[in-house]
Amino acid sequence: GQNIDQPTEMTATEGAIVQINCTYQTSGFNGLFWYQQHAGEAPTFLSYNVLDGLEEKGRFSSFLSRSKGYSYLLLKELQMKDSASYLCAVSDSNYQLIWGAGTKLIIKP
Amino acid sequence: ETGVTQTPRHLVMGMTNKKSLKCEQHLGHNAMYWYKQSAKKPLELMFVYSLEERVENNSVPSRFSPECPNSSHLFLHLHTLQPEDSALYLCASSTELAGGPDTQYFGPGTRLTVL
Repeated sequence: GQNIDQPTEMTATEGAIVQINCTYQTSGFNGLFWYQQHAGEAPTFLSYNVLDGLEEKGRFSSFLSRSKGYSYLLLKELQMKDSASYLCAVSDSNYQLIWGAGTKLIIKP
Repeated sequence: ETGVTQTPRHLVMGMTNKKSLKCEQHLGHNAMYWYKQSAKKPLELMFVYSLEERVENNSVPSRFSPECPNSSHLFLHLHTLQPEDSALYLCASSTELAGGPDTQYFGPGTRLTVL
């Protein structure tokens, strides 16, 4: 079966760095997405990785290792507004998105 | 005008009611999706439409009935729902389904409670 694993919840301190991991087992791979979802709001696109390596976009970076079935989202200089759920999703061989359950990130002052 | 809008934002209904959820996208996209989001569970894809044709129906019970009259509008008609159908229903759209991964843009969702 297809599976996406990510931690249920993480806590970090304002100004610090946090890494949210995502591991996947899917039938085929056509890229991995990260989305951010604030409580009561729509998920919004953060990043897309299809090749191995690190993609940096401001305070957020996303890493992919296809051989390990592994990705992480790195958030630097954390701000209170970064408190949200972070969703990992993999595009499988049929280009259908397989979603993780999301990681709730709590930022403390 | 925000990209993808959904109405209503909140809905409470009894098991014998009939209601409809509406989604509208203002992005010029050709594909639209319905998802169910339950607490601490992955997003569940329910239906996919491409150019107003249904291309995906993930074994969704018949008490959920989608309708896509044009590429900008998507409806989800609800009837005789069960309490376990209570969830956040999200609509999304993307440019196209033509053989490549495509970023999906989501609406804010409808929080549905079935009594």
